[in-house]
Amino acid sequence: DPKIIQKPKYLVAVTGSEKILICEQYLGHNAMYWYRQSAKKPLEFMFSYSYQKLMDNQTASSRFQPQSSKKNHLDLQITALKPDDSATYFCASSQDWGGSQNTLYFGAGTRLSVL
Amino acid sequence: GDSVIQMQGQVTLSENDFLFINCTYSTTGYPTLFWYVQYSGEGPQLLLQVTTANNKGSSRGFEATYDKGTTSFHLQKTSVQEIDSAVYYCAMSPVNTGNYKYVFGAGTRLKVIA
Repeated sequence: DPKIIQKPKYLVAVTGSEKILICEQYLGHNAMYWYRQSAKKPLEFMFSYSYQKLMDNQTASSRFQPQSSKKNHLDLQITALKPDDSATYFCASSQDWGGSQNTLYFGAGTRLSVL
Repeated sequence: GDSVIQMQGQVTLSENDFLFINCTYSTTGYPTLFWYVQYSGEGPQLLLQVTTANNKGSSRGFEATYDKGTTSFHLQKTSVQEIDSAVYYCAMSPVNTGNYKYVFGAGTRLKVIA
């Protein structure tokens, strides 16, 4: 059974609309993250949270807003969607935030297409 | 800045061939190094991880050695199988960012023909 659940698996949106990507992890981890994988680009770090607190934000646009209602949830709200936002968004988690022994575990991703 | 370079975009092999995927990294200090594998329709999953320079990591027949001299972390497997077909990502967690922010290479797509 998957331990990091992302919903939906596929999402189609129109330009200018707003969507929420859902992520829940059942690994008992204290840190959660969002990464983005655009076409022809490497996986790119977006946000990190530790105990529901934002630790780092590498996303220039305020249109991307993470939301953490519980320690094992980290949703991603994207507003005013643009075609350039089309990508696969991966949620990830780790036991703790930082440290050389830390290991990242990924969900299966949400593939977003903005028309 | 921090970077991970994988020059091979795609590798096509026959079963039982030897696999070698290049990976070099650039950062300050000694990062933790990883290989992740991504099968079709799934997220990346950890294949192996090495924290200490000059150590070797291994898993499922795959091996990689953390070479601080050449700043490399090449992935090898003696005999690949069709089930190994996937995208392989080299990654690091730099010490200068507290080890929480992974930097990934572009990935190498491995296709193994039966």
